[in-house]
Amino acid sequence: EPEVTQTPSHQVTQMGQEVILRCVPISNHLYFYWYRQILGQKVEFLVSFYNNEISEKSEIFDDQFSVERPDGSNFTLKIRSTKLEDSAMYFCASSEFHGSTDTQYFGPGTRLTVL
Amino acid sequence: AQKVTQAQTEISVVEKEDVTLDCVYETRDTTYYLFWYKQPPSGELVFLIRRNSFDEQNEISGRYSWNFQKSTSSFNFTITASQVVDSAVYFCALRTNQAGTALIFGKGTTLSVSS
Repeated sequence: EPEVTQTPSHQVTQMGQEVILRCVPISNHLYFYWYRQILGQKVEFLVSFYNNEISEKSEIFDDQFSVERPDGSNFTLKIRSTKLEDSAMYFCASSEFHGSTDTQYFGPGTRLTVL
Repeated sequence: AQKVTQAQTEISVVEKEDVTLDCVYETRDTTYYLFWYKQPPSGELVFLIRRNSFDEQNEISGRYSWNFQKSTSSFNFTITASQVVDSAVYFCALRTNQAGTALIFGKGTTLSVSS
């Protein structure tokens, strides 16, 4: 069964450093998403991406964040200058369509720890 | 505004007990989609079910069943004859046209099943 994959599973970085989280969505999916989950809290939407551009973004997704689809398979989330409060689990998701058949399937997550 | 409330923070049951996880949602949209996801201790988010607002038919899948009631804005999830492997955090989520592509998650219910 196709699945979303994410690398690395755990990333430790120093405050102020740049990190890139990588995702490979399900191959025939057209919509891609990033969510984050601060430890013990609910899952929060960051951004959605379609046709090589951002469709929507939340207030959390400020200028420190960017997304990219550098090739036909990868989808990345970059945090330019990490802060302590960026420590969270980051989930990538993908869906085949948007609308009535847009179930989002999630990857296993990347745990980001900012020291 | 869109909102999902999972009033039960933690539930503990003994194996073979039935358990119901509550989910109440708020939206003014007439078309919306409801989801349940499971987050086992390993951390990934596993899709369980999707329900469209125009389809109030309840669903059963093995030991899992879902009760969707528009009159009370609820989408409750019942596990029959619970097992230790059911121990996880369960999230209810909502997507509406107003919210765009974002899934709006509840805070989750932690289910602990002991043997």
